[in-house]
Amino acid sequence: EVQLVESGGGLVKPGESLTLSCTASGFTFNIAWMSWVRQSPGKGLEWVGRIKSNYDGGTTHYAVPLDGRFTISRDDSKNTVYLDINRLTTEDTAMYYCTRSQCGPGCPGLNWFDAWGQGAQVTVSS
Amino acid sequence: EIVLTQSPATLSLSPGERATLSCRASQSVSKYLTWYQQHPGQPPRLLIYDASTRATGISARFSGSGSGTDFTLTINSLEPEDFAVYYCQQRVDWPLSFGGGTKVEIK
Repeated sequence: EVQLVESGGGLVKPGESLTLSCTASGFTFNIAWMSWVRQSPGKGLEWVGRIKSNYDGGTTHYAVPLDGRFTISRDDSKNTVYLDINRLTTEDTAMYYCTRSQCGPGCPGLNWFDAWGQGAQVTVSS
Repeated sequence: EIVLTQSPATLSLSPGERATLSCRASQSVSKYLTWYQQHPGQPPRLLIYDASTRATGISARFSGSGSGTDFTLTINSLEPEDFAVYYCQQRVDWPLSFGGGTKVEIK
C-alpha cells in the first residue's frame, strides 16, 4: 500500500522558518518524482513545487510566486522528501500535502498526483 | 499562468441522479487535465487523468471527457460517497494549477 506521512507542521511566528518531512512507503521511492501541494481556505489547492528522482537528475521546479522561500530536497536512504519554508508569512498558513507525481509513459506533459499524504497543518501567527 | 474555472460552484443533487461538472481552461491544455475528489478532512484523491483515463480502483460511474479548453466530469447514478468537492488540474504548463472546485451536495 502506498503511504505518505507528513510531519513537522505546527504554529510558527511570521518570519520564522519551518521544515516539513514526508516519509514514503509501499513503492520504490528512489525513482519517484515528488511534489508538495498546499491548501488554504482562501486560495484553494496550490502547487508548491516538485523534485525529480535523482535517477532523472533530482532537479526541482517551484511555483514562481513563492519568491524563492521554498526548497524541496530528498533523502532516498530515508525514503523522505522535505520542504523547507523560510520567512514565513500569514499567507503561508495552509495544509501542506506531500504527493507522488506521475506523468505517464515517455512523460508527455507535466505531472498529476496519484498519491497524497494526510497533510501537515502549518499555521503562521504572531 | 493557466487559469481553470470550474462550474457550477455547487451542485445539489439526489442520490441516483447524474452529476455533470465543468472545467474550462484559459488556454488549451490539450488532453492534460486531471480530476480529483476530496471529502471533508481528507486529502484529494485522484479520479481521472489525461481527461478521460480513470485511475486505478475508480468506479466506472466516473467518466471524463473534453480536450483543449473545455472538459467535463460526469458521475452517473450518484452514490452517497460521491458527495464531495471535485477539482480539476492542468499539467501542460508551469505552474501546475487547479480549479476552484465544485461541491456536489445532497439535495
